[in-house]
Amino acid sequence: NAGVTQTPKFRVLKTGQSMTLLCAQDMNHEYMYWYRQDPGMGLRLIHYSVGEGTTAKGEVPDGYNVSRLKKQNFLLGLESAAPSQTSVYFCASSTLPQGNLRTEAFFGQGTRLTVV
Amino acid sequence: AQSVAQPEDQVNVAEGNPLTVKCTYSVSGNPYLFWYVQYPNRGLQFLLKYITGDNLVKGSYGFEAEFNKSQTSFHLKKPSALVSDSALYFCAVSPYMEYGNKLVFGAGTILRVKS
Repeated sequence: NAGVTQTPKFRVLKTGQSMTLLCAQDMNHEYMYWYRQDPGMGLRLIHYSVGEGTTAKGEVPDGYNVSRLKKQNFLLGLESAAPSQTSVYFCASSTLPQGNLRTEAFFGQGTRLTVV
Repeated sequence: AQSVAQPEDQVNVAEGNPLTVKCTYSVSGNPYLFWYVQYPNRGLQFLLKYITGDNLVKGSYGFEAEFNKSQTSFHLKKPSALVSDSALYFCAVSPYMEYGNKLVFGAGTILRVKS
């Protein structure tokens, strides 16, 4: 049972380069998320999706774009990388709430991105 | 706006002693509260959650958390710490009326358990 898989695990980019991070989940979850983790700041939500074909902005969306063409995949794109985007990126997924009961998120192992 | 505070950057405890990792929150309406753990170079793993009901919530690996509405706190506890509990712990809140199960995280607390 793979859960949430992120590709790649590590990447070094030069300023101005572009790249796409791929997230795949095999749990048939409706919701998917991209977070970034920075020291002393916890995780901050970049973008999220509540279903195939939908995306929405989170807390820190600038400089990123996302797409969810298939239910199991959620792509995060950096069009022109900047040093401020050096971070560890986590993808997560969760099921629909059970009535009013929130469900927990399942996280991938992260992508460590360095922009030089 | 909703927020989570973890007032301690690091907590040190001896193996076998009880541990507490503190968390306070600010949110409109009823809170949904979560604790996650992150081991080095790994993703976050779910420990436990408070949705409604009993204020004492039991979770994975012997951890529990106490919800205190009047103090807006959700402290993580374990009666007897293990060296293997050493990790980074995150408290998170999911606002009641917001769509999408989104999480707002605290900055995290490093737990070090020494033998």
